[in-house]
Amino acid sequence: ETGVTQTPRHLVMGMTNKKSLKCEQHLGHNAMYWYKQSAKKPLELMFVYNFKEQTENNSVPSRFSPECPNSSHLFLHLHTLQPEDSALYLCASSPKIEPNTGELFFGEGSRLTVL
Amino acid sequence: AQKVTQAQTEISVVEKEDVTLDCVYETRDTTYYLFWYKQPPSGELVFLIRRNSFDEQNEISGRYSWNFQKSTSSFNFTITASQVVDSAVYFCALILSGGGADGLTFGKGTHLIIQP
Repeated sequence: ETGVTQTPRHLVMGMTNKKSLKCEQHLGHNAMYWYKQSAKKPLELMFVYNFKEQTENNSVPSRFSPECPNSSHLFLHLHTLQPEDSALYLCASSPKIEPNTGELFFGEGSRLTVL
Repeated sequence: AQKVTQAQTEISVVEKEDVTLDCVYETRDTTYYLFWYKQPPSGELVFLIRRNSFDEQNEISGRYSWNFQKSTSSFNFTITASQVVDSAVYFCALILSGGGADGLTFGKGTHLIIQP
């Protein structure tokens, strides 16, 4: 079992749908992250949670709504998305935020296609 | 703001050849960490190495080696005697010391194709 598990691995949704991505980490880490990976662009940090508290929101549109009920689970709720939101969404965890040594443990990602 | 540039979008070599992936970074801070991550077709990024800004010693790990040069702000990655399993997208990244929630700044990645 991998340390960071993401479901679903693939998701196709219409622009009016509401769906959620789930991330679970089994590493006992306290920080969790959502990254967006689009073709030919650097990975974009979307949200950061530290001990279940959101510490970073990188100007992400409100159609993306994160939720972190505990240190092991992270969700990304999606609604009224646009085709340009199609991307690979990667979840990651790290032992802590401060200091952030940058060694992140990633899941395999959820490939999202918005029609 | 920090920036990481990986000028090579895609590299294709034949198995057993040596290959170097370039990484150039920009930061005004003097204390930072540099990273390389590997993203195989399965999708997850796998941590390969972390180097802090005060340690310019080159590092070798099996067929992998890293050349850190502060004078040119580069942190290049060389794979010796490449193998098909090395095929992946490789990302260079940077984080400031005490970067906190800002997280890593990634380059766009280099897609490495090793042909049998």
